[in-house]
Amino acid sequence: AQKVTQAQTEISVVEKEDVTLDCVYETRDTTYYLFWYKQPPSGELVFLIRRNSFDEQNEISGRYSWNFQKSTSSFNFTITASQVVDSAVYFCALSEATGNNRKLIWGLGTSLGVNP
Amino acid sequence: ETGVTQSPTHLIKTRGQQVTLRCSSQSGHNTVSWYQQALGQGPQFIFQYYREEENGRGNFPPRFSGLQFPNYSSELNVNALELDDSALYLCASSPNRGINEQFFGPGTRLTVL
Repeated sequence: AQKVTQAQTEISVVEKEDVTLDCVYETRDTTYYLFWYKQPPSGELVFLIRRNSFDEQNEISGRYSWNFQKSTSSFNFTITASQVVDSAVYFCALSEATGNNRKLIWGLGTSLGVNP
Repeated sequence: ETGVTQSPTHLIKTRGQQVTLRCSSQSGHNTVSWYQQALGQGPQFIFQYYREEENGRGNFPPRFSGLQFPNYSSELNVNALELDDSALYLCASSPNRGINEQFFGPGTRLTVL
């Protein structure tokens, strides 16, 4: 069965610290997609990144970077020089790529608090 | 470009009642997915609609039903409400049923007393 594990329930850092959010997934599919979403206190989920299983290149977008390692089934997310506005719950999600059913399997989320 | 909107924002119901939640998809999107998010949990997939047809369903009982309209807006109906139905209900739209990023609305917070 597909599964996403975010082992860190809560993380608290001081502004300007770097922080890495871990995501480990399980799937029997050879083709799949991984996502990260941010959920600020307002509740709306904000898309951050999508990665397909054939693309293991790491990606950087401003202060955000992602490390995809198929060998360890991990898709970790790093925020460099964290800011108070980064405080939110971050979800990692996994999607099947076959058939017509495109549901996302979500982790339980990591609550990140960035203190001034 | 208008984003995904949901109504109402908050709703309080009592056990046994019925509720209808509404979602307007982002312009140009023909696929809508509904999720239930209990407090402190990740979203759970309820079902997805693609061009007015149900395109997959999660592990939810039949009292959770939905519709998608020709303009691709959607409704989620829940009958015989139970206390455990209290949650944030999220609607997400995407350009098609393929693997695309889903754009989420702000959600409807349902409280069942």
